[in-house]
Amino acid sequence: DAKTTQPPSMDCAEGRAANLPCNHSTISGNEYVYWYRQIHSQGPQYIIHGLKNNETNEMASLIITEDRKSSTLILPHATLRDTAVYYCIVRVEHNQGGKLIFGQGTELSVKP
Amino acid sequence: DARVTQTPRHKVTEMGQEVTMRCQPILGHNTVFWYRQTMMQGLELLAYFRNRAPLDDSGMPKDRFSAEMPDATLATLKIQPSEPRDSAVYFCASSGPIANSPLHFGNGTRLTVT
Repeated sequence: DAKTTQPPSMDCAEGRAANLPCNHSTISGNEYVYWYRQIHSQGPQYIIHGLKNNETNEMASLIITEDRKSSTLILPHATLRDTAVYYCIVRVEHNQGGKLIFGQGTELSVKP
Repeated sequence: DARVTQTPRHKVTEMGQEVTMRCQPILGHNTVFWYRQTMMQGLELLAYFRNRAPLDDSGMPKDRFSAEMPDATLATLKIQPSEPRDSAVYFCASSGPIANSPLHFGNGTRLTVT
């Protein structure tokens, strides 16, 4: 499984964009990049995923570099409730099981 | 919103006792995952099933842990006998049949073994 590298922690001011980086230099052509977050004492929450095109939904945007070796999750207007651990995961292709292997993630603190 | 439901939310038991954790996946989801989270190890995949058949249980200690899906609406994770080192939060997740369907997680069972 391709591994990911994320900074252990980041701060962001409330109302500003939070840009969370992730490196996945060994990603394979059929592997997707997924982002989850975990707010204290809750289960991980799905945010967004993509293969090679940039993706946007109501929660966030995902920017994947052309070589697919890194990506950035963007929370456009961070709020205090976005304080959480954010996980970037490269997912094994569905027909090979589709499991998610979590790393240590980035602890994002949104400050007033 | 459809949710994965886990019971119980909290369980305190003594070493040596059997523990059963239950999970109701989202209706229509055919893949069920069990994860364990501790401060030291983070989130670890224990086992997962597709269409009720085990796909991979290599992350699970086989001597004391067992995972089953008696039917499509119920997954169970049993520990017998339980040990203090099993204290953790156990999460169940499910995903749908479409390729690359995201996993949706329950809110976990917090297990404390004394």
